[in-house]
Amino acid sequence: DVKVTQSSRYLVKRTGEKVFLECVQDMDHENMFWYRQDPGLGLRLIYFSYDVKMKEKGDIPEGYSVSREKKERFSLILESASTNQTSMYLCASSPPRDRGYQPQHFGDGTRLSIL
Amino acid sequence: QQQVKQSPQSLIVQKGGISIINCAYENTAFDYFPWYQQFPGKGPALLIAIRPDVSEKKEGRFTISFNKSAKQFSLHIMDSQPGDSATYFCATKNPGTGNQFYFGTGTSLTVIP
Repeated sequence: DVKVTQSSRYLVKRTGEKVFLECVQDMDHENMFWYRQDPGLGLRLIYFSYDVKMKEKGDIPEGYSVSREKKERFSLILESASTNQTSMYLCASSPPRDRGYQPQHFGDGTRLSIL
Repeated sequence: QQQVKQSPQSLIVQKGGISIINCAYENTAFDYFPWYQQFPGKGPALLIAIRPDVSEKKEGRFTISFNKSAKQFSLHIMDSQPGDSATYFCATKNPGTGNQFYFGTGTSLTVIP
């Protein structure tokens, strides 16, 4: 089974702090994704990566950056945390599209509160 | 712009009843239509998925109905059980954007005993 592990289940930070959310997958997947989940808004894509050191902006990249130095690890960075970034953050991974119709596999999320 | 529109936002069903959740999309290039189930405190997990070359797919009590001409697809849960109480998300994939998915806004299903 695919395992996507997010390093923290709950995190509390203060406004202005630099925040790192870590995600690791064990299936050698090329694609990795960061979403935020808010009630009534569903899952919104922040950034994704289809290879090491590659990144693409999603629908809501403002205030975030990412890092992918190794294939299995994808980090989300809040450069200067603000209260409107309080949310549930979900990481996902998937094989490349040339392997056909493949779902994304999700971690259990990090609930981040910015005070 | 919401690529996939999902309804209803919440649903309450009696045990043994049928739960129906609907999704509509605009882009005819979308080529993969999964449904995800999410329990509190957990990440979404793939429940069932369909490709546009079939009109229906059934796995146990869960069925996807797909209407390509109407650009709609729906999830039917037969004989709904309290253990099915969860949030359900539909999703679509655009083959032109790698493996990027677009998700609906979610439906909170409550099955009452």
